Amino acid sequence: SYELTQPPSMSVSPGQTAVITCSGDKLGDKYTCWYQQKPGQSPVLVIYQDTKRPSGIPERFSGSNSGNTATLTISGTQAMDEADYYCQAWDSSTPCVVFGGGTKLTVL
Amino acid sequence: QLQLQESGPGLVKPSETLSLTCTVSGGSISSSSYFWGWIRQPPGKGLEWIGSIYYSGSTYYNPSLKSRIAISVDTSKNQFSLKLSSVTAADTAVYYCARHSGCSGGSCSLYNWFDPWGQGTLVTVSS
Repeated sequence: SYELTQPPSMSVSPGQTAVITCSGDKLGDKYTCWYQQKPGQSPVLVIYQDTKRPSGIPERFSGSNSGNTATLTISGTQAMDEADYYCQAWDSSTPCVVFGGGTKLTVL
Repeated sequence: QLQLQESGPGLVKPSETLSLTCTVSGGSISSSSYFWGWIRQPPGKGLEWIGSIYYSGSTYYNPSLKSRIAISVDTSKNQFSLKLSSVTAADTAVYYCARHSGCSGGSCSLYNWFDPWGQGTLVTVSS
């Protein structure tokens, strides 16, 4: 079965750039989306179709996908961005939705 | 504004069937542009997709759960439902419903995503 791998955790200083990775075999041939989940809340879509931002999502959130790795970049990270982030893709061979294991982003 | 709300028992006994319903408001579940999905999250763990359904009844299921799940839709009530049979403690989780975009006409494209999500409901499997 297809797997997406994310680092379990990372930290960033306020105002700096956070880059969260999501790896999978030939992931660049698929489309990736990203969710933000704060404690006790439901996930919120922050990036879809690799690079698109839903309305209401700040411009500091951006995405890319190439080769075996998709990335979520948060520029000028703010304290409010501290959350768990999940990548997701569609495995058409199964077919099946696949989630990454999640990355806990700490802003300190 | 589209909203989704999960409902159902918060406690289920081992070996029994978990049943949840998602009520969609602010939009029609019969839209040709979307599937409707279930996702779960065990306490302290990550997200796991359970399955998705189209208003016509077409479904996609997670292969690891396929033998135990059934997702159905009731367009007259603007609801879709999940049944998970033979539950164990490992099925304890927050269960979310969500609109599944990028899926239409009875099939999903390479680009699909979930938005918005319901608030989630905790289901505990315990005797």
